[in-house]
Amino acid sequence: KAGVTQTPRYLIKTRGQQVTLSCSPISGHRSVSWYQQTPGQGLQFLFEYFSETQRNKGNFPGRFSGRQFSNSRSEMNVSTLELGDSALYLCASSLDTGEGGYTFGSGTRLTVV
Amino acid sequence: AQSVTQPDIHITVSEGASLELRCNYSYGATPYLFWYVQSPGQGLQLLLKYFSGDTLVQGIKGFEAEFKRSQSSFNLRKPSVHWSDAAEYFCGSTGGGADGLTFGKGTHLIIQP
Repeated sequence: KAGVTQTPRYLIKTRGQQVTLSCSPISGHRSVSWYQQTPGQGLQFLFEYFSETQRNKGNFPGRFSGRQFSNSRSEMNVSTLELGDSALYLCASSLDTGEGGYTFGSGTRLTVV
Repeated sequence: AQSVTQPDIHITVSEGASLELRCNYSYGATPYLFWYVQSPGQGLQLLLKYFSGDTLVQGIKGFEAEFKRSQSSFNLRKPSVHWSDAAEYFCGSTGGGADGLTFGKGTHLIIQP
């Protein structure tokens, strides 16, 4: 079955702009979570969505937001981009409780210049 | 709050030698525990997971991990490494559901010929 699909793979944006990243989970998975990976901070949890509702949020400013659609696809948005937002953004899909494990996409590499 | 510690930032082993990567977690109850591997520029691939039951879990690519509650550890092992095992390895934990994964900083594995 198809894995987790993230688009686009690479993105270059200018400071102050906004960006939207997309994640299509594995068919049947209703939970999508997002992570930011940087060399300095490592992998950090951004937020988790289940059935179109945000159930949990990590310690990130309000510039980071997301949503989930009825088909479980999810988008995350970053507004007013800063240089420090340059990172690999990963999404993971899972069944409700995560017991089946979390399957990650290949990520979107965002570079802010 | 949950935390995961991977004490070794870098580990170098010779091809064919055995491997053990350390992981310690901090969580009130028994968390769900995971090991992931990441190749440069790629997403995370699940190696194995522990939820309950048998404390020795087998994963893909010949990896195994042992959960030790008394030591709050979940170390990853492989009896004989291959050059293709060179990658970044991440240990993660979650309480399940909407918690999201908490990751260690990762261990960079280098394989010497």
